[in-house]
This record gives sequence, C-alpha cells and structure tokens, in this order.
Amino acid sequence: QKEVEQNSGPLSVPEGAIASLNCTYSDRVSQSFFWYRQYSGKSPELIMSIYSNGDKEDGRFTAQLNKASQYVSLLIRDSQPSDSATYLCAVSLSGSARQLTFGSGTQLTVLP
Amino acid sequence: GAVVSQHPSWVICKSGTSVKIECRSLDFQATTMFWYRQFPKQSLMLMATSNEGSKATYEQGVEKDKFLINHASLTLSTLTVTSAHPEDSSFYICSATRIYEQYFGPGTRLTVT
Repeated sequence: QKEVEQNSGPLSVPEGAIASLNCTYSDRVSQSFFWYRQYSGKSPELIMSIYSNGDKEDGRFTAQLNKASQYVSLLIRDSQPSDSATYLCAVSLSGSARQLTFGSGTQLTVLP
Repeated sequence: GAVVSQHPSWVICKSGTSVKIECRSLDFQATTMFWYRQFPKQSLMLMATSNEGSKATYEQGVEKDKFLINHASLTLSTLTVTSAHPEDSSFYICSATRIYEQYFGPGTRLTVT
C-alpha cells in the first residue's frame, strides 16, 4: 500500500467550476500536510499547508483535513485555465516539513 | 520570502564527466536541504537529506559515492553527479525547510550524452 495516495486523473473541469482533489495517507501519526502545484517542466510550488482538522482557506483554495479518516483534500473555487497543473499531496510525520512523502500527483485540466 | 535558487538551470555533459549543482536559500537559513530527482511523468523521488555540517543521509538505492552531497553552510548545498551516464539524465530539484514548510528550487535539467 502506498503511503500517500492520490487519484492520478486526469481531472477535467470547466472554467469557473470547483475542482476537488483528494489524498489519503496511511500513517496515523502524520502531523503536517501540504499541497504543491507543479506546472509541466517546472518544480513544485507550495500553495497550502494544513496541520489541524478542519478547513483552511486561502483565496480560491481551501484545504480540508480529517485525521480520523486519514484524508486531506484541496478545493479550488472558480477554476481558471492557469490552474491547469499537477497537484501533489505531501505528508510529514513530524510537526515540520523536514521530510515529506509525496503522492503521485493529480493532473488537473481546466477547460476554457 | 522563502526563495530557493539552483544553478545551473540546465546542463548537458558527456558520459563519464562530473556535474555539480548548487542549491541556495536566498533569504533564510536552512539547516536541512533535500535533493530530489524526477523522471518524466513521474512523481518526485527523494534522493538524500543534506544536513549542514554533517554527512548527508541517502535514501535506499541511491549511491552515495555517485551522488556526492556537501552542505557547507546554512545557505548552500551542492550535489555532484560523478561519472555521469545517460541514465542519470533527469530533473534534479532541491528544497529547503523554512520553519514548518519546504520550498523548492526551480530545478536543474541534466542531460548526459
């Protein structure tokens, strides 16, 4: 079983819609959770971090964490074509991002 | 803030030569940096953890004698690919931890001919 699992996609949504990206993790002691966006040919860019259960909002992005279900998600509201990228879920066992375990990524395409 | 740079951004070298890649944290100090490798259409693979002032910790299957890592200061880590071969061609990315979050450099695309 993979430690961090994501739907590989591709996920396509129309412009203006909500894109929902999901991630599950296997280690119950995981404490820190991150979403990265990676454009083709570029390195990952941190877009959200979340440490406690519940929702965390930043602009059009909302991260949701449920430790009991070992589930973390990312919602992108009002999706734009510029949001088209691969989204990587990353999990850390410690309280800091000292070593991350990455999912394989979900490829998102926002159709104009 | 939290800017990480890499140099060079791309490099082409001949088989058997060595290549050095630099990773710098520009606006913060990083006691720990990480080196990743990414092949096309695949996710990031952690190669090693670079600790300032001590030896790097390599992931299983990564040859420490082939991928030399030096973390000489709180803002600089280097990765040297020794005796490079075509199968070492890949996208090499470093990252550095600032407080609770890990920030990535722009990556170095290595092509070995």
